Amino acid sequence: KNQVEQSPQSLIILEGKNCTLQCNYTVSPFSNLRWYKQDTGRGPVSLTIMTFSENTKSNGRYTATLDADTKQSSLHITASQLSDSASYICVVSDPGGYNKLIFGAGTRLAVHP
Amino acid sequence: NAGVTQTPKFQVLKTGQSMTLQCAQDMNHNSMYWYRQDPGMGLRLIYYSASEGTTDKGEVPNGYNVSRLNKREFSLRLESAAPSQTSVYFCASSARDLNEQFFGPGTRLTVL
Repeated sequence: KNQVEQSPQSLIILEGKNCTLQCNYTVSPFSNLRWYKQDTGRGPVSLTIMTFSENTKSNGRYTATLDADTKQSSLHITASQLSDSASYICVVSDPGGYNKLIFGAGTRLAVHP
Repeated sequence: NAGVTQTPKFQVLKTGQSMTLQCAQDMNHNSMYWYRQDPGMGLRLIYYSASEGTTDKGEVPNGYNVSRLNKREFSLRLESAAPSQTSVYFCASSARDLNEQFFGPGTRLTVL
């Protein structure tokens, strides 16, 4: 079964510190992987999209990496800010349907002052 | 440019009542989607519309119907609400296959 699993479920860090969120997927064949940020009470917003040929992609203080061989991705947040407090969702394209996506349950990040 | 808008933001229904969730996008996107988000789970696709005039079932379509009214609007209808449909509902749109999906702010629905 095609699945996307994220760890940890939740994380608390101090402002200014770095953190790394993990994503493992079993989706095959693989097309692309996305990371979304979802603020409380809001819809998800795209951070990065990577195809199978890309190893890393950055968006400001957010850097996503992809290892298609081990089917793992990570999202690294540098110099965290209070506004980084949100859920981060890993999403993989479903090979079985038109632009259909398989969502992970997300990692809830809290940045404390 | 409002992006994807959804109405209402909150709704409380009694079991058996019906309602329609509205979604509109002003980005001239071809494809639109309805998802539900439950605690501890990833978003799950209810229905999608690849283009105006077409709709298809997603992962969890039972208990729902949709209408692609025109290119801009895609509505989700609950004919007879059940407590299991208590959830947060998100509408999304994308320009074409494999493109980024843009999400609306969500509708928080409670069925008593």
